[in-house]
Amino acid sequence: EIVMTQSPATLSVSPGERATLSCRASQGVSTNLAWYQQKPGQAPRLLIYGASTRATGIPARFSGSGSGTEFTLTISSLQSEDFAVYYCQQYNYWPPESFGQGTKLEIK
Amino acid sequence: EVQLVESGGGLVQPGRSLRLSCAASGFPFGDYAMHWVRQAPGKGLEWVSGMTWNSASTGYADSVKGRFTISRDNAKNSLYLQMNSLRSEDTAFYYCAKDVYSSGGGYFDLWGRGTLVTVSS
Repeated sequence: EIVMTQSPATLSVSPGERATLSCRASQGVSTNLAWYQQKPGQAPRLLIYGASTRATGIPARFSGSGSGTEFTLTISSLQSEDFAVYYCQQYNYWPPESFGQGTKLEIK
Repeated sequence: EVQLVESGGGLVQPGRSLRLSCAASGFPFGDYAMHWVRQAPGKGLEWVSGMTWNSASTGYADSVKGRFTISRDNAKNSLYLQMNSLRSEDTAFYYCAKDVYSSGGGYFDLWGRGTLVTVSS
């Protein structure tokens, strides 16, 4: 089973600044990596797939990069609505589909 | 409207059973693999189970293997999760999620709002 590890667990950033979230896979998953955003009381929402492709309707300030075992989600110029929990997921091998433990992005 | 709506959650005693349902609408349900993902209160996402478009192949997390059974009825645009021998650690919101591929192994582009299962005496 592939283990996904996200860092940091919590990230404090001021509005308008850049946030960089990391995700590491225990073995290579090529670019079969997705990012999701979850706000309190809501279901997760797909942000990025294929490590770097934005899902429909996702603003350009969200970008993803990486391949193999190291991945990054970058949010440039944070807006108030971006403060949420972010999860990465590998889908190179299934079952199981593996999620990271999440990074909480909070207002500094 | 494209959506997934879960139902069937509630309070259940340890050792008992519960069946969750997920009703799909607005897309060709029978063309896609489907999954269940759960989230314990205040915790992260945990994939529970998935099934290919034609029910030919299924997968389960080790934590539920042998106790939970996933099924689907494409004629009714519905996904199910039969949960037996429930434990307190199964307490969570259970989300239904749509895979982008028919055979599974993809990312999830549509999620339901979830149904809460509480296992407690």
